[in-house]
Amino acid sequence: GAGVSQSPSNKVTEKGKDVELRCDPISGHTALYWYRQSLGQGLEFLIYFQGNSAPDKSGLPSDRFSAERTGGSVSTLTIQRTQQEDSAVYLCASSLNGPDTQYFGPGTRLTVL
Amino acid sequence: DQQVKQNSPSLSVQEGRISILNCDYTNSMFDYFLWYKKYPAEGPTFLISISSIKDKNEDGRFTVFLNKSAKHLSLHIVPSQPGDSAVYFCAADGGTSYGKLTFGQGTILTVHP
Repeated sequence: GAGVSQSPSNKVTEKGKDVELRCDPISGHTALYWYRQSLGQGLEFLIYFQGNSAPDKSGLPSDRFSAERTGGSVSTLTIQRTQQEDSAVYLCASSLNGPDTQYFGPGTRLTVL
Repeated sequence: DQQVKQNSPSLSVQEGRISILNCDYTNSMFDYFLWYKKYPAEGPTFLISISSIKDKNEDGRFTVFLNKSAKHLSLHIVPSQPGDSAVYFCAADGGTSYGKLTFGQGTILTVHP
């Protein structure tokens, strides 16, 4: 079956611009996560959605970051007024239910010039 | 504060030999540990996991060992194959009701033919 997909695969933007990153989770998975991996670093948790519950936003690094999940499926991560330190690979993962194994998408490589 | 650490950024082994990847953690609330494998331009894929009630879990060529008193886990790959060459991340789950994973920085494994 189809795995987690993310778009775009690469995004180059200028400092100060807004960007939107998209994640399509595996069908039927109720939990969705966003992580980012900066150069030379491990994966850093950003935000978590579980069903219709309020998302856990505890990992978002600043108020320039926001995410939504429409209809319990597709999710969009928005970064406003991008900064160079936002450059990273942004990874989305989904799982059947919270504690279960997470399946990752290929990521979006964001470069802020 | 790096709660999960992989102190070896890289490891090189000969095909057929054992690969041992190490991971240390500091948070005693972690009760579930996972290893993920990542190829370039792909998202991480789940490899093997272990609950804190166990000290060993084996799946084919892969075995994970957990030493709770030392807050240390290791992944053994025997025999190593060139296709195992990838970045390996250990991750820990904090025992919350969902899988908010904390990742290490990763270890690049290279298996030489």
